[in-house]
Amino acid sequence: GENVEQHPSTLSVQEGDSAVIKCTYSDSASNYFPWYKQELGKRPQLIIDIRSNVGEKKDQRIAVTLNKTAKHFSLHITETQPEDSAVYFCAASIGNTGGFKTIFGAGTRLFVKA
Amino acid sequence: ETGVTQTPRHLVMGMTNKKSLKCEQHLGHNAMYWYKQSAKKPLELMFVYSLEERVENNSVPSRFSPECPNSSHLFLHLHTLQPEDSALYLCASSQAGIYGYTFGSGTRLTVV
Repeated sequence: GENVEQHPSTLSVQEGDSAVIKCTYSDSASNYFPWYKQELGKRPQLIIDIRSNVGEKKDQRIAVTLNKTAKHFSLHITETQPEDSAVYFCAASIGNTGGFKTIFGAGTRLFVKA
Repeated sequence: ETGVTQTPRHLVMGMTNKKSLKCEQHLGHNAMYWYKQSAKKPLELMFVYSLEERVENNSVPSRFSPECPNSSHLFLHLHTLQPEDSALYLCASSQAGIYGYTFGSGTRLTVV
């Protein structure tokens, strides 16, 4: 079946360093790629997303890149801070399908050491 | 609160019990979802209601039964659950054409 692979499963960085999380997807019809951040004991929250007609999107310290040919997309966090510590989930979705075609990655647990 | 409210926050139930989870969204969204979150596994989609019509994931056991009486409310009825059903159950909503989800805080379910 369709799936989304996410790597690494755990990532530890020093405060101020950059963190990169990578995902690959299998369904070539996917056209929407959101990223969610879930802090311990809290709900997942949408932090950034990208649509298939765009190759890169940036919002302050976070950016996402998309390579449709290779079917992979990445989350980049620069100047990491302790409050960036959380689990990050990528997802690949086919828009306008009522959400049924949204597949999540298994998550990356990011630790930012002060 | 982000606009999606789930109750209860925690639930412990025996395998012979019947209980219901409730989700309510105040965002005017027209799609609602139930997801199961287990440790070290991807979020698993259980059910989708889009424009009050159910899209079912065939791999969900019949001991889970959803109900969507209107576009703002979603229930998950539970009966004769198994210990492996213990997990965090997340409700989410979205607006067609604006694809990102808003999640609720979840119900932490423990089956004993």
